[in-house]
Amino acid sequence: DQQVKQNSPSLSVQEGRISILNCDYTNSMFDYFLWYKKYPAEGPTFLISISSIKDKNEDGRFTVFLNKSAKHLSLHIVPSQPGDSAVYFCAASASSGAGSYQLTFGKGTKLSVIP
Amino acid sequence: KAGVTQTPRYLIKTRGQQVTLSCSPISGHRSVSWYQQTPGQGLQFLFEYFSETQRNKGNFPGRFSGRQFSNSRSEMNVSTLELGDSALYLCASSLPNLGYTFGSGTRLTVV
Repeated sequence: DQQVKQNSPSLSVQEGRISILNCDYTNSMFDYFLWYKKYPAEGPTFLISISSIKDKNEDGRFTVFLNKSAKHLSLHIVPSQPGDSAVYFCAASASSGAGSYQLTFGKGTKLSVIP
Repeated sequence: KAGVTQTPRYLIKTRGQQVTLSCSPISGHRSVSWYQQTPGQGLQFLFEYFSETQRNKGNFPGRFSGRQFSNSRSEMNVSTLELGDSALYLCASSLPNLGYTFGSGTRLTVV
């Protein structure tokens, strides 16, 4: 049972336009959400995160929106640049209270930004 | 500041063999987690170690094991390798309640 779903395996966007990557989750215990970016032959790199007490977090060109009632989050990249072409993973965790957490990842969306 | 270092980067093993992968976390990070990435399943959590103790474990068979040393370096071991174990194995280290920093991974191919 996949608790974090990224239903679009791939997305193509023109340079300068907005990229919107979507993620849905099923576990209501998740209270922290992250986006990672991954280039081939490298490990995932942290991009941006959001706590369940917020509905929006912004960092430069990257904004993450969280809709708890719909169990949905999205990552907006504006404007998109060719260097943003990578695989983007959505991840979620539930607080364990012991300082430990494990991330549950979606299967990723491959973003291609066309010059 | 050095990042998370995983060795080796690439490995080819034969079915039935065992393999040990190594991970050196960022200096000062005491938590080390391991993930398996395959094309079909994405990234899946294997286990987490903190202060030499396994603190959390994913849903993998007992053939997958790990340990952490007093200097926080970690190893994971896979015994009796199967073709389906071919994957990118990622290690990540973190400070308490903060995000992960991933290494570049070890690409394991089982033939």
